[in-house]
Amino acid sequence: NAGVTQTPKFQVLKTGQSMTLQCAQDMNHEYMSWYRQDPGMGLRLIHYSVGAGITDQGEVPNGYNVSRSTTEDFPLRLLSAAPSQTSVYFCASRVFSGASGELFFGEGSRLTVL
Amino acid sequence: TQLLEQSPQFLSIQEGENLTVYCNSSSVFSSLQWYRQEPGEGPVLLVTVVTGGEVKKLKRLTFQFGDARKDSSLHITAAQPGDTGLYLCAGARSGGSNYKLTFGKGTLLTVNP
Repeated sequence: NAGVTQTPKFQVLKTGQSMTLQCAQDMNHEYMSWYRQDPGMGLRLIHYSVGAGITDQGEVPNGYNVSRSTTEDFPLRLLSAAPSQTSVYFCASRVFSGASGELFFGEGSRLTVL
Repeated sequence: TQLLEQSPQFLSIQEGENLTVYCNSSSVFSSLQWYRQEPGEGPVLLVTVVTGGEVKKLKRLTFQFGDARKDSSLHITAAQPGDTGLYLCAGARSGGSNYKLTFGKGTLLTVNP
């Protein structure tokens, strides 16, 4: 069972470079989201999507772009990487209905910006 | 301002001890979830509580949702090294047609053999 798949698992960038973190899920979930996890800060929501063609900002969206062209894929783009974006990024998906849906997480992508 | 406050932030205990982790807020939640995260992996759902006063048990883990749906606790009986991990609580609040899930900062539990 694939679930939520993130690539790459590790990435090192130089300040100003751009890159895309890929996320794919095979559970036909409407809702997909990106979180970043930093020491002492917990999980913070960057962007989320409730279906193909629909995206919205979370609590820390600056410096990141997303798009949702298919139900399965939800890439996260860093247009001009900054050292403050060094973090572990998690993609998560769930069924979009109600308040109690389980979030399924990928294994994470560890990004270092020099 | 952190919407969900978890305490303690760190906890190191010996195998066989009991422990309680708390998740507190001034906001009311539609539901509250507990996740466990192991190093190098994403969080995995342990339980969801939706009714004020609700108590759920998962083997040696007991979860309680406060009567006012503003807080929750996780109690582990006779902790084992396999319980080691980061425990995260997450509260869901209605935001129009969507439910926004907010995470606490987590409690890092280490159970020593």
